[in-house]
Amino acid sequence: GQQVMQIPQYQHVQEGEDFTTYCNSSTTLSNIQWYKQRPGGHPVFLIQLVKSGEVKKQKRLTFQFGEAKKNSSLHITATQTTDVGTYFCAGLRDYGQNFVFGPGTRLSVLP
Amino acid sequence: NAGVTQTPKFQVLKTGQSMTLQCAQDMNHEYMSWYRQDPGMGLRLIHYSVGAGITDQGEVPNGYNVSRSTTEDFPLRLLSAAPSQTSVYFCASRQGRALNTEAFFGQGTRLTVV
Repeated sequence: GQQVMQIPQYQHVQEGEDFTTYCNSSTTLSNIQWYKQRPGGHPVFLIQLVKSGEVKKQKRLTFQFGEAKKNSSLHITATQTTDVGTYFCAGLRDYGQNFVFGPGTRLSVLP
Repeated sequence: NAGVTQTPKFQVLKTGQSMTLQCAQDMNHEYMSWYRQDPGMGLRLIHYSVGAGITDQGEVPNGYNVSRSTTEDFPLRLLSAAPSQTSVYFCASRQGRALNTEAFFGQGTRLTVV
């Protein structure tokens, strides 16, 4: 079946440093979504990518969809303590019935 | 708007007990789903529904039942709780039946089976 992997599993950064998490699928995806979950909270939708090579920005967050539509990345510039949480990617394959979530990357930001 | 509401927030069950986790949404979303979240495993789909009267199995359906008698409600039933069902459960809904929309998650139910 479809598998979605994320690396790293954990990342500790100093406030102000950059952070990147990578999402890789075993199958080609029709679209990919990113979610953020604060500690003790629930996942909250960040963005959806649909086109090959697509790049979208949200303030300090940059999302990219790979040319082959099998991988994606989330890059945060100059992290802040408010960025703390777990970031999940969720991929939908062509003709898929449901999104498959990756295991997430937990980000800690040290002030 | 309340969005997606889950009850209870916390629950402790004894092995073999049954219970229903409630989920309600007030956004008139057709698509609803249940996930369980375990450490290091992300969110795994248990069951989903694309509309009232329609349900289907997800990745990990064993030990769980669902029904969808109304658009608003999508309860998840544990028939005979087992320690392996200790987890955090999230209900989510999406607009329409297409999957190119964002998922709205409830606050979660933390379930412990002893």
